Amino acid sequence: GAVVSQHPSWVICKSGTSVKIECRSLDFQATTMFWYRQFPKQSLMLMATSNEGSKATYEQGVEKDKFLINHASLTLSTLTVTSAHPEDSSFYICSASQEGSGSEAFFGQGTRLTVV
Amino acid sequence: QKEVEQNSGPLSVPEGAIASLNCTYSDRGSQSFFWYRQYSGKSPELIMFIYSNGDKEDGRFTAQLNKASQYVSLLIRDSQPSDSATYLCAVGSGNQFYFGTGTSLTVIP
Repeated sequence: GAVVSQHPSWVICKSGTSVKIECRSLDFQATTMFWYRQFPKQSLMLMATSNEGSKATYEQGVEKDKFLINHASLTLSTLTVTSAHPEDSSFYICSASQEGSGSEAFFGQGTRLTVV
Repeated sequence: QKEVEQNSGPLSVPEGAIASLNCTYSDRGSQSFFWYRQYSGKSPELIMFIYSNGDKEDGRFTAQLNKASQYVSLLIRDSQPSDSATYLCAVGSGNQFYFGTGTSLTVIP
C-alpha cells in the first residue's frame, strides 16, 4: 500500500503552547487528507477534511481556530494545535486518499500528544 | 456525522474458529466500504475494501456487502491469536470517510 508519514510520533508540550503535526504522502499525490483524534479505548473521530489548496472542512464541534489545518501541496498537510491544554492530549492520526471516497485511505503512524 | 454502527464487543473466539464482525451504515449513498485493523497504540491498517454487493475474499478474510440491507461484514477464518485487535468498519460517502466505534476481537489460544 501507499505510504503516509506523520511527524512527530509523539510530543509533550506545555499548556498554552502550540504544536504542529505534519502528514506527508510519500509515494502518491493526496487529493484529500483527513485528520482524526482518538482518545483511549474510543474510536477515531473525524476532525476535518482538507483538500489541496482549499480551506479545510471541519466537523461539528471542532474549533477551527484551535485546530489549524493547512494543505498546501498534494503531499503535505499540517495540523497545528494552538494554545494546547491538557484536555487536548490525545492520539492524532492523519490519512490520505488519492480520489476521496473512490479509493482507500492510508494512515500515518499517528502522533501521541501530551499536554502538561 | 453519518452513522456507522458496530458491536463494540469484546468478541472472543477460540483459535482456529471463524470470527464474524458486523457493521451497518445509515447513508444509502455510501459508495465504498473498508475494514481496518488497529492494534493498541497503533494506527489503523487496511485489511479489505469492497465496493460491490456480494463477497470478496483475500486469504483468510472475506468481506461481505449488502447495500439493500446497508450491511457489511468481515469474516476471519482460522482465527489466530495475532488477529486479536480492534476492527474498524469505515464507509466512504461523498468525499468523507466515517468510522464505526470498532469491535474488539480476542482470539484465545
